Amino acid sequence: AQKVTQAQTEISVVEKEDVTLDCVYETRDTTYYLFWYKQPPSGELVFLIRRNSFDEQNEISGRYSWNFQKSTSSFNFTITASQVVDSAVYFCALMRGSQGNLIFGKGTKLSVKP
Amino acid sequence: EAQVTQNPRYLITVTGKKLTVTCSQNMNHEYMSWYRQDPGLGLRQIYYSMNVEVTDKGDVPEGYKVSRKEKRNFPLILESPSPNQTSLYFCASRTGLGYTFGSGTRLTVV
Repeated sequence: AQKVTQAQTEISVVEKEDVTLDCVYETRDTTYYLFWYKQPPSGELVFLIRRNSFDEQNEISGRYSWNFQKSTSSFNFTITASQVVDSAVYFCALMRGSQGNLIFGKGTKLSVKP
Repeated sequence: EAQVTQNPRYLITVTGKKLTVTCSQNMNHEYMSWYRQDPGLGLRQIYYSMNVEVTDKGDVPEGYKVSRKEKRNFPLILESPSPNQTSLYFCASRTGLGYTFGSGTRLTVV
């Protein structure tokens, strides 16, 4: 069975703090893809990153970074120097192979206060 | 511009009144899918379609129907909506690189 767990339901930080959103996944497949999406208050889903199971390199994009560790089945997302505009619900998701359905975690609501 | 278009964005309806939420994509993708999002539950898949005339149930198909008569369109049909179908709905299409989501349809059934 495949599953994505985002244990943090809600996180609140003060602007400029660093924050890490956790994502743990379960799959027996050797080929899979992991995603992060952002859902701002306006409701749309914004794609942030896609990572395949064969690429464990960490990635940095501006203030965002992702740490993928197959040994612990985790794909954590860190926002450095958080800003109020980072306030959103963040979803981690898993796709089986390149043709599978997308399975979402329950999301983490991040509130960044000024 | 590559996009998935859902309509309407907002809908309030009464219990039992049939409704259809439309979804259209302009990317010639074979795979399309519907999700519903509920607080504390994340996004759950309702139905998906691998290609024209090929549809299959997702995790929460009860109370919904879909059709895929042409590649670009994948409407979601609620034959007899109930209040527990009040939710935020997303349509998506997929390439091998990932998913493109529509802007969402916020449905309220009273």
